[in-house]
Amino acid sequence: QKEVEQNSGPLSVPEGAIASLNCTYSDRGSQSFFWYRQYSGKSPELIMSIYSNGDKEDGRFTAQLNKASQYVSLLIRDSQPSDSATYLCAVSGSSGTYKYIFGTGTRLKVLA
Amino acid sequence: DGGITQSPKYLFRKEGQNVTLSCEQNLNHDAMYWYRQDPGQGLRLIYYSQIVNDFQKGDIAEGYSVSREKKESFPLTVTSAQKNPTAFYLCASSIERGIQETQYFGPGTRLLVL
Repeated sequence: QKEVEQNSGPLSVPEGAIASLNCTYSDRGSQSFFWYRQYSGKSPELIMSIYSNGDKEDGRFTAQLNKASQYVSLLIRDSQPSDSATYLCAVSGSSGTYKYIFGTGTRLKVLA
Repeated sequence: DGGITQSPKYLFRKEGQNVTLSCEQNLNHDAMYWYRQDPGQGLRLIYYSQIVNDFQKGDIAEGYSVSREKKESFPLTVTSAQKNPTAFYLCASSIERGIQETQYFGPGTRLLVL
């Protein structure tokens, strides 16, 4: 059973702090990794994608991938109350399949 | 204005009734997907289609059916055989680009049982 694990939270951080969200996956053959943000009652919105080891930065967001440890993380710098949402980790690409495996999400609360 | 549309936003199903959820995209994406989301659970794949007139079962296809007669449209029917249909249903689409294939989601349909 291929799995993607996330701490459900809530993760509470003060406004302006760095929020660190973590995700581990079981299938070592996975090639593609995604972070989605989902506000309550809304659909997931793509934030970041990452395909190779290391860091990828986009504005206040940084995705980090470590395939050896089967670990992917999302850092949110200068967290804002508007960042309060559930963050979903998705993994795909194992054995040539396009199917995504989603984690259950981490709920982030940014305190003003 | 490109995007993925789903209708209706809310849908109520009576006992023994089949209902159909609409999903349309004008992004010229090849692949389309249907997911179900329950509280506290990750998204679970119901059906997917990589090309017109072809589709495959996902992890939880029982009680659901789909068609893909046009590239832009991928409707999902929730049949009376689906005994626990209350959930948030999400349609997604993607252009097949190898490992960089990225899925984008529609706004979702919330299905409730009367």
